[in-house]
Amino acid sequence: EAAVTQSPRNKVAVTGGKVTLSCNQTNNHNNMYWYRQDTGHGLRLIHYSYGAGSTEKGDIPDGYKASRPSQENFSLILELATPSQTSVYFCASGDINSGNTLYFGEGSRLIVV
Amino acid sequence: GDSVTQTEGPVTVSESESLIINCTYSATSIAYPNLFWYVRYPGEGLQLLLKVITAGQKGSSRGFEATYNKETTSFHLQKASVQESDSAVYYCALGDEGNRIFFGDGTQLVVKP
Repeated sequence: EAAVTQSPRNKVAVTGGKVTLSCNQTNNHNNMYWYRQDTGHGLRLIHYSYGAGSTEKGDIPDGYKASRPSQENFSLILELATPSQTSVYFCASGDINSGNTLYFGEGSRLIVV
Repeated sequence: GDSVTQTEGPVTVSESESLIINCTYSATSIAYPNLFWYVRYPGEGLQLLLKVITAGQKGSSRGFEATYNKETTSFHLQKASVQESDSAVYYCALGDEGNRIFFGDGTQLVVKP
């Protein structure tokens, strides 16, 4: 069974602080993605990656950085967290061999106070 | 840019009634994007329901079906007879040539017993 694991699952951060959200996948998929989802809205793409060492900007990259040090790991970094970044963040890996079907983690709920 | 628009929820139907959730897409980066329906059941993570990667084809899963219509740029989700267990949030999504996946805002389906 494909597996994508996110940590932490819940986080309260202070404004101006640094936050790192981590994602690990055991699917051996090349593509990985970070989305955020705000209440009542769909998923918006922040950053994505085609493989180790690759990071690409999505639709809403401002205020976020990404790091893909290995095939398995993809991190989302908020250098200076702001209350507007309060959201639920989802990581996913993509299976190119099945039309890039995404496999999602369970989400990380971030509150910035 | 690429985008997806779907029926605004919540959609409430009675058990055994038919269902249609509309989805239309706009793809500027690719002529024939991959199209997906994802679902989030209560208490569960986001998962693939069905996908179609060839224009004109139909995908089906769990009694749901959707046909990729390139003329009307639509990918409506249909089911002939819904069950209470179909209550969930459904997301239409589009995959572009850069392997990015764009999601609609989601449609909450409530099935009354």
